[in-house]
Amino acid sequence: QQQVKQSPQSLIVQKGGISIINCAYENTAFDYFPWYQQFPGKGPALLIAIRPDVSEKKEGRFTISFNKSAKQFSLHIMDSQPGDSATYFCAASPNYGGATNKLIFGTGTLLAVQP
Amino acid sequence: GAVVSQHPSWVICKSGTSVKIECRSLDFQATTMFWYRQFPKQSLMLMATSNEGSKATYEQGVEKDKFLINHASLTLSTLTVTSAHPEDSSFYICSAPRGGKQFFGPGTRLTVL
Repeated sequence: QQQVKQSPQSLIVQKGGISIINCAYENTAFDYFPWYQQFPGKGPALLIAIRPDVSEKKEGRFTISFNKSAKQFSLHIMDSQPGDSATYFCAASPNYGGATNKLIFGTGTLLAVQP
Repeated sequence: GAVVSQHPSWVICKSGTSVKIECRSLDFQATTMFWYRQFPKQSLMLMATSNEGSKATYEQGVEKDKFLINHASLTLSTLTVTSAHPEDSSFYICSAPRGGKQFFGPGTRLTVL
């Protein structure tokens, strides 16, 4: 019940295209859903996050879509660029308090944006 | 955003020795910090929650006597890998919450020979 399932494992997108990564969870107590970007040898960097009270959040080229009833959420990267090539992790925070609590990470998606 | 630093960024040690990794919140105070371990091409796995002024909380399967955590101040948490072995070689990353978000350090690459 603590798992966060992420797909696909890897993704190749052409420059200018849309990258879509999906995550699903079981635990209805999760109340904070961030997405992180990680480059090789670096720590994860927060991209965007959402809470269950909204169905969509957009920041620049990044959009999170959230389906509470299906317990699924996804990251959309519009106008994908070669610089977006990295590993993306979804995560969820159990219990209350949001980001002050521990994060459960998805398995990661390796994105390659071809020029 | 908030800044979290780690030291060292990489370390190589001999089997059987102990290694200390520091995690600092540079421009904010953190009563709680988190330690994760990441093996190559894998996800981040939470090891423990570091609590300022009290004992750390370890995740199931993590040996508390092997991975010693000390949260000595509101800006510093340390992870000591005791009697390190080659299977402990990994990327160790800490995080700290601020303003409703989790900020991660740059990670420490540990290689045990």
